[in-house]
Amino acid sequence: TQLLEQSPQFLSIQEGENLTVYCNSSSVFSSLQWYRQEPGEGPVLLVTVVTGGEVKKLKRLTFQFGDARKDSSLHITAAQTGDTGLYLCAATTSGTYKYIFGTGTRLKVLA
Amino acid sequence: DAGVIQSPRHEVTEMGQEVTLRCKPISGHDYLFWYRQTMMRGLELLIYFNNNVPIDDSGMPEDRFSAKMPNASFSTLKIQPSEPRDSAVYFCASSFGVFGTQETQYFGPGTRLLVL
Repeated sequence: TQLLEQSPQFLSIQEGENLTVYCNSSSVFSSLQWYRQEPGEGPVLLVTVVTGGEVKKLKRLTFQFGDARKDSSLHITAAQTGDTGLYLCAATTSGTYKYIFGTGTRLKVLA
Repeated sequence: DAGVIQSPRHEVTEMGQEVTLRCKPISGHDYLFWYRQTMMRGLELLIYFNNNVPIDDSGMPEDRFSAKMPNASFSTLKIQPSEPRDSAVYFCASSFGVFGTQETQYFGPGTRLLVL
């Protein structure tokens, strides 16, 4: 069974701080996605990365796919209260269309 | 477009009862996915359809669960009989395709199911 482990599980920080969350696995993935989920809503896709070593930026969010395509990180610069939510990584292996979701990192940004 | 629509938003039922969850995907999307989310197991794919045909149901927990997609604009997930361990939030998602930018899945708001 492929597992996607995310760390930390919970993170509470002050507005303006930087943070990094991680998504790790022992499997090699063909693509990896990051989602944010707010209470009472479904996950919303933030980014898809497909190339080892790829870095994508979305405003204050920076996403990196590991060189070996087994891990990924999400870095948020100068966090805002609107960044609060559950961050999920999801990955698929070559030859399948099924995304496996990670355990999630629950982020709370305090004003 | 209104996005993916799910109903009901909340469902409380007693063990043994039949539960039917409904989903209307985004118009034009060829893929439809059913997920279940719990604190213990996170977000799990149950089944997905392509052009109304079930492609992979390996995530369906057991025979008590069944899913149908009679047409491109409607799908149901049925649990019969329901058990307390089925309590979870059930999400429906749809996408244009499964490659590149077409693989963006749009999730509905979910149905929160509580089986007593």
